[in-house]
Amino acid sequence: EIQMTQSPSSLSASVGDRVSITCRANQDIRTFLNWYQQRPGKAPKLLIHGASNLQSGVPSRFSGRGSGTDFTLTISSLQPEDFTTYFCQQSFGTPRTFGRGTKLEIK
Amino acid sequence: QVQMQESGPGLVKPSQTLSLTCSVSGTSISSTNSYWTWIRQPPGGGLEWIGYIHYNGNTYYNPSLKSRVTISLDTSDTHFFLSLTSVTAADTAVYFCARDHPYIFWSGSYRNSNDAFDVWGHGTLITVSS
Repeated sequence: EIQMTQSPSSLSASVGDRVSITCRANQDIRTFLNWYQQRPGKAPKLLIHGASNLQSGVPSRFSGRGSGTDFTLTISSLQPEDFTTYFCQQSFGTPRTFGRGTKLEIK
Repeated sequence: QVQMQESGPGLVKPSQTLSLTCSVSGTSISSTNSYWTWIRQPPGGGLEWIGYIHYNGNTYYNPSLKSRVTISLDTSDTHFFLSLTSVTAADTAVYFCARDHPYIFWSGSYRNSNDAFDVWGHGTLITVSS
């Protein structure tokens, strides 16, 4: 099973800030990495697929990069609706596995 | 627009079998090369992939649950199901169905696909308690 380590587990920031969340796999997963946003009480929403491809309809302030074992999700200018939880997920192998999540909080 | 909706009992007694249905609309299960998936999330916890089924009937289950899980399809091509046997309190969670959709990309002359969960149901809370 591929282990995904996401950091930080929580992050405080302000509206307008630029923030980054990292995800590390315990083996090479090439670019088979996806990012999701989850608001409380809702299902996750796909933001980025294939490490760097913005899902249709997702604002361009979200971006992803990385390959191999190290990946980053960046939000270039935080908006009020961005303060929620983010997960990474690998699709290189089965079982599919997720990071433990990063909760983005308002400072 | 593809939509998915889970339905289930809400409350299940320990040692019993949990049965959930995912209703798919806006597409048919056999019309795409997707994997139809179940994922769960304990209260306040992370996401755990349970398993998936392809329209050709192939299944893959999380080894941690494999002995207790069955995912199946309906011949109507618009529903798929989860069965989880011998439940305990540790199975209390919000259960989501989702579509694992292949996104095609090219590496030189090689065609690849990266799968991602692009459509989700709203989730249904299942509590295991006597």
